[in-house]
Amino acid sequence: DIVMTQSPDSLAVSLGERATIKCKSSQSILYSSDNKNYLTWYQKKAGQPPKLLIYWASTREFGVSDRFSGSGSGTDFTLTISSLRAEDAAVYYCQQHYSTPFTFGPGTKLEIK
Amino acid sequence: QVQLVQSGGGVVQPGRSLRLSCAASGFTFRNFGMHWVRQAPGMGLEWLAVISGDGSKESFADSVKGRFTLSRDNSKNTVYLEMNSLRHDDTAVYYCAKGAIGSTDSWGQGTLVTISS
Repeated sequence: DIVMTQSPDSLAVSLGERATIKCKSSQSILYSSDNKNYLTWYQKKAGQPPKLLIYWASTREFGVSDRFSGSGSGTDFTLTISSLRAEDAAVYYCQQHYSTPFTFGPGTKLEIK
Repeated sequence: QVQLVQSGGGVVQPGRSLRLSCAASGFTFRNFGMHWVRQAPGMGLEWLAVISGDGSKESFADSVKGRFTLSRDNSKNTVYLEMNSLRHDDTAVYYCAKGAIGSTDSWGQGTLVTISS
């Protein structure tokens, strides 16, 4: 199974500042046939289902704010949230869709200072 | 718009069974795989299983393999998660989600399953 790790476990960032969350997979999740990284980012708030933010490591889901961006390839990925707003407080998860089981990272809790 | 409406959660004793349902609308159901994910209290998200659009292929996490089964009725636009031999550590909010290439793009509202004697 592919193991996903995230760092940090939690972070507190001031309104208007930038937050950066890292995700690492235990093996490459770059699919050679289409040259896409099968890495997805979700936002999870208490009492709500996860919300898809980014897929293929850097493609923003329709309707997601352009303050959210994803980057990386192979085994190392980053979610960046710019110009933080109060509503960005949540837990962020990465997930690989390269091979089953489609494992999640442990999550990163983002608090707003 | 895509809607996934879940039902079937509740309190059940250890060792018993429970079936969750997820009724879909707003898309061509038979064309998409469907996933199940859960979140135990205070824990992270755990991917559990996926079933292909035509129901011919399934995959499960080791934690539920052999105890949980998947099925779908494309005539009713509904996917089912049959959970058997339930254990205390199966207590969680269970979500169904619509598969997309490289992601799951729409989610049900979640249903709480509590395993308690």
